[in-house]
Amino acid sequence: DVKVTQSSRYLVKRTGEKVFLECVQDMDHENMFWYRQDPGLGLRLIYFSYDVKMKEKGDIPEGYSVSREKKERFSLILESASTNQTSMYLCASRGDREGEKLFFGSGTQLSVL
Amino acid sequence: QKEVEQDPGPLSVPEGAIVSLNCTYSNSAFQYFMWYRQYSRKGPELLMYTYSSGNKEDGRFTAQVDKSSKYISLFIRDSQPSDSATYLCAMRDGSGTYKYIFGTGTRLKVLA
Repeated sequence: DVKVTQSSRYLVKRTGEKVFLECVQDMDHENMFWYRQDPGLGLRLIYFSYDVKMKEKGDIPEGYSVSREKKERFSLILESASTNQTSMYLCASRGDREGEKLFFGSGTQLSVL
Repeated sequence: QKEVEQDPGPLSVPEGAIVSLNCTYSNSAFQYFMWYRQYSRKGPELLMYTYSSGNKEDGRFTAQVDKSSKYISLFIRDSQPSDSATYLCAMRDGSGTYKYIFGTGTRLKVLA
């Protein structure tokens, strides 16, 4: 089974801090995604990556950046955390052999105080 | 207007009922349609996937796509308490960019 692992289940940070959310997948998938999930707004795409060192902006990239230096790891960076970035963050991966199936991690609940 | 609209619920039904979950969308370029199930404090898991129009059945689950109406449905027969979860529709266009757009999700409760 594909495993998508997010480094933290819960995270509490202060406004202005730089925050790193890590995601690792173990199935050699080409594509990786970062979503945030908020009540009433559903999942919104922040960034995605087709391959190593490649990234594309999603619908809400402002205030975020990403890094994909290795195929299995996709990091989401909040350069200067703000309270409106308090959310559930979900990482997903997709492999070309898997069709349309996204494999999700369990999520990181980030609170910015 | 959101690209994908989904009633958030909650929807409560008795065990054994037939459940109908729906999404509407505005982008006629969408070609790939998915339904995900998300249990509390877990990531979503793919339930069903349909390409273009038509029906697809898998056990107690049936997915329908009506592209002319820009409307997709998920039917759950003989619903069980274990089906209690949030159901999210997702879709993308056929351009080759894997940009999936999700609905807000419908919370379903199946009462024993």
